[in-house]
Amino acid sequence: QQNVQQSPESLIVPEGARTSLNCTFSDSASQYFWWYRQHSGKAPKALMSIFSNGEKEEGRFTIHLNKASLHFSLHIRDSQPSDSALYLCAVNYAQGLTFGLGTRVSVFP
Amino acid sequence: EAAVTQSPRNKVTVTGGNVTLSCRQTNSHNYMYWYRQDTGHGLRLIHYSYGAGNLQIGDVPDGYKATRTTQEDFFLLLELASPSQTSLYFCASSVDRGQISDYTFGSGTRLLVI
Repeated sequence: QQNVQQSPESLIVPEGARTSLNCTFSDSASQYFWWYRQHSGKAPKALMSIFSNGEKEEGRFTIHLNKASLHFSLHIRDSQPSDSALYLCAVNYAQGLTFGLGTRVSVFP
Repeated sequence: EAAVTQSPRNKVTVTGGNVTLSCRQTNSHNYMYWYRQDTGHGLRLIHYSYGAGNLQIGDVPDGYKATRTTQEDFFLLLELASPSQTSLYFCASSVDRGQISDYTFGSGTRLLVI
């Protein structure tokens, strides 16, 4: 079974700052890597994904993947109060996606 | 828009009670999943299915049964509910197993077993 760890557990950042979230995984054969966002009381929703080593940018969000280091990250540029949420990383395995415990991000004005 | 609808939104039952959680998707997705979400444990997979009549065991299946009656409908059954099953339950659907396509989650069912 895939083991997925996230850090930090929580983060408080001022509006306009850069937010960086980390995720490590245990299975070097994994091929698909996702970030989901869950606002309080709501369903998780996919933010973006990456399938190959390197970097992928979509608007204010950037994913970095380093398979050799078993690590990927999410960076949020110009963080907004609306970015306050639980961020879940996910990695595919035989049964589908396994999720990390999440990083709770709070962006204050 | 692709949708996953769960019912009920909230449920209270007594220990030993019988509970059925329902999930319907209008996405024409092959895969459907039941997760539970708990503080300190995150989202954990209970059961999943890749089509009507199919059932696969997830990572935390003990105490749960599930049934996929149609392409659209997936049910989670707790036949002898215990307080340890108090949780927030999410249903999700996807085209594949989290490879190219993302999961679409329902809004969740909050279950309290007293």
